[in-house]
Amino acid sequence: AQTVTQSQPEMSVQEAETVTLSCTYDTSESDYYLFWYKQPPSRQMILVIRQEAYKQQNATENRFSVNFQKAAKSFSLKISDSQLGDAAMYFCAYSGGNTGNQFYFGTGTSLTVIP
Amino acid sequence: DVKVTQSSRYLVKRTGEKVFLECVQDMDHENMFWYRQDPGLGLRLIYFSYDVKMKEKGDIPEGYSVSREKKERFSLILESASTNQTSMYLCASRLSGTGTPDTQYFGPGTRLTVL
Repeated sequence: AQTVTQSQPEMSVQEAETVTLSCTYDTSESDYYLFWYKQPPSRQMILVIRQEAYKQQNATENRFSVNFQKAAKSFSLKISDSQLGDAAMYFCAYSGGNTGNQFYFGTGTSLTVIP
Repeated sequence: DVKVTQSSRYLVKRTGEKVFLECVQDMDHENMFWYRQDPGLGLRLIYFSYDVKMKEKGDIPEGYSVSREKKERFSLILESASTNQTSMYLCASRLSGTGTPDTQYFGPGTRLTVL
């Protein structure tokens, strides 16, 4: 089975600064999709950004961008100009072409934004 | 916007009780999922369903069953609740399945406590 590893259980960032959350994964597939989800305290989990493995260009959504290194099996999330509303648990997830419907999630990184 | 709702935000049950957790999605999605979320373990898949009356086991199906009689509704059943099933339960739905970049949409979660 595929594994997804988030090695930073907790991170903190000063408001307006930039932070990078790490994610690595293990797979033998060539086609797959990677996702970052955000779970604010007591609120629903929502999609932040996704990356298709066959695309070399890193995905970007406003202040959120990824650094996708396919050979290294690394998929980090960069949050620029951090805001108080970015405080949340962040989960990295993998979905593969041969893994059926199953998503594989990391254990999460809790991000604190310091005013 | 996709809406995924869960029948209860908080639930307290006694050991040995039969527990039903209900999930409803309003976007005609084919695929629905049940996860449990525990600190330090991330999200673990219990069961998923890719069509009405169809189901597949996830990584931790023991002690759980599911039912999908209608496309929009996916129920998780704890036949005889035990204290180690105290957890946060998340439901999700997804439009398409294998090999697509479609995201999962999550419900708000049910925090179940078994005494």
